[in-house]
Amino acid sequence: DTAVSQTPKYLVTQMGNDKSIKCEQNLGHDTMYWYKQDSKKFLKIMFSYNNKELIINETVPNRFSPKSPDKAHLNLHINSLELGDSAVYFCASSQLEGTGELFFGEGSRLTVL
Amino acid sequence: AQSVTQLDSQVPVFEEAPVELRCNYSSSVSVYLFWYVQYPNQGLQLLLKYLSGSTLVKGINGFEAEFNKSQTSFHLRKPSVHISDTAEYFCAVSRTNAGNNRKLIWGLGTSLAVNP
Repeated sequence: DTAVSQTPKYLVTQMGNDKSIKCEQNLGHDTMYWYKQDSKKFLKIMFSYNNKELIINETVPNRFSPKSPDKAHLNLHINSLELGDSAVYFCASSQLEGTGELFFGEGSRLTVL
Repeated sequence: AQSVTQLDSQVPVFEEAPVELRCNYSSSVSVYLFWYVQYPNQGLQLLLKYLSGSTLVKGINGFEAEFNKSQTSFHLRKPSVHISDTAEYFCAVSRTNAGNNRKLIWGLGTSLAVNP
């Protein structure tokens, strides 16, 4: 039973399109995250939600909009995709009152043509 | 503010040789320390963590790390590597007293390539 699952695993799309990535965790955690990993493997936090409330919002273009319908789900919607959005996007979860230890999904590889 | 430096971006090593991946951090407050591993085309998984207590921590797959407070280091070691250890390794820290705003600060990663 996958702890943090995200779909789709691969996305190939044209510039200007809109796409969404979904994430679900069954660990009972109250905090979820979106990370972007570029081609050099650099990890950058994008957003963090605690129990449906946005708590971290790094400098990310407002074309990116996270949505958390409940504390087990955090989706990422991207409008007007650009070439530079090509990356692997990781969903993760943790306990708010924990150590900061993260549990990651398998990643969603987005390629913008 | 905290920062994490992984001193080697790439480490090539032969199979069955020992390996050390270096991680230094800077922080004015006490921290928790983590090593994560990312195998090719996969997500990150926790290798080991230091929270408190013994400074030598053991993780999965035969890895261990030693917390050295005076040198602000948390180097990862394995006495004998396998081809299957080829992966990207990330060091990360979080503040112990961050309250509700704890987030991991990441190093840039070290690519370990184990050759036959």
